[in-house]
Amino acid sequence: QFVLTQSPSASASLGASVKLTCTLSSGHSSYAIAWHQQQPEKGPRYLMKLNSDGSHSKGDGIPDRFSGSSSGAERYLTISSLQSEDEADYYCQTWGTGIQVFGGGTKLTVL
Amino acid sequence: EVQLVESGGGLVQPGRSLRLSCAASGFTFDDYAMHWVRQAPGKGLEWVSGISWNSNNIGYADSVKGRFTISRDNAKNSLYLQTNTLRAEDMALYYCAKGSTSSRWSGFDSWGQGTLVTVSS
Repeated sequence: QFVLTQSPSASASLGASVKLTCTLSSGHSSYAIAWHQQQPEKGPRYLMKLNSDGSHSKGDGIPDRFSGSSSGAERYLTISSLQSEDEADYYCQTWGTGIQVFGGGTKLTVL
Repeated sequence: EVQLVESGGGLVQPGRSLRLSCAASGFTFDDYAMHWVRQAPGKGLEWVSGISWNSNNIGYADSVKGRFTISRDNAKNSLYLQTNTLRAEDMALYYCAKGSTSSRWSGFDSWGQGTLVTVSS
């Protein structure tokens, strides 16, 4: 079964950096993912598509503070110079023939 | 600018139906697949259904198969979700999402603000 695993929560201080992780289930380490942000009481917002080689393409207007990287079955979202508006839920998503899957989401708290 | 505006949600009794709509603008609608994703209160995102650009390829989550029907009208730049035999567990915010390609097997790159479906007697 295709599963994306995310830690339920993360926290970091204002102005610091944080790295969120999305892990693809066994046998699926070549898949691309997308990262989406959901601020409180808002609809999701597309951040970027992240390929297995670490290359990524961001959505319109996404600040340079957001970047992605990959290592094996792990896909990362790094947010630098954290701002209060970065406090949100972050979801990874992947797809393939017969597959549309979301991770459980990581709730990021900015201290 | 891509805009997706959902409508049609509301309060409905168990076993009844609702038709959700999504009005799209700011892009060439018939070049892209479209999807419905839902979020139950306090829960994560769940893909519900997707449709390719020409409606030839359609898919559903197991949880809604046989009860929900997705469709699109490219002339009206609109996406629809007919939800029948609604259950308490269908209660959620329903989001319209734009696929990043014409195939329904692609990621999503734009989202609407959602329409709330409440199922209660």
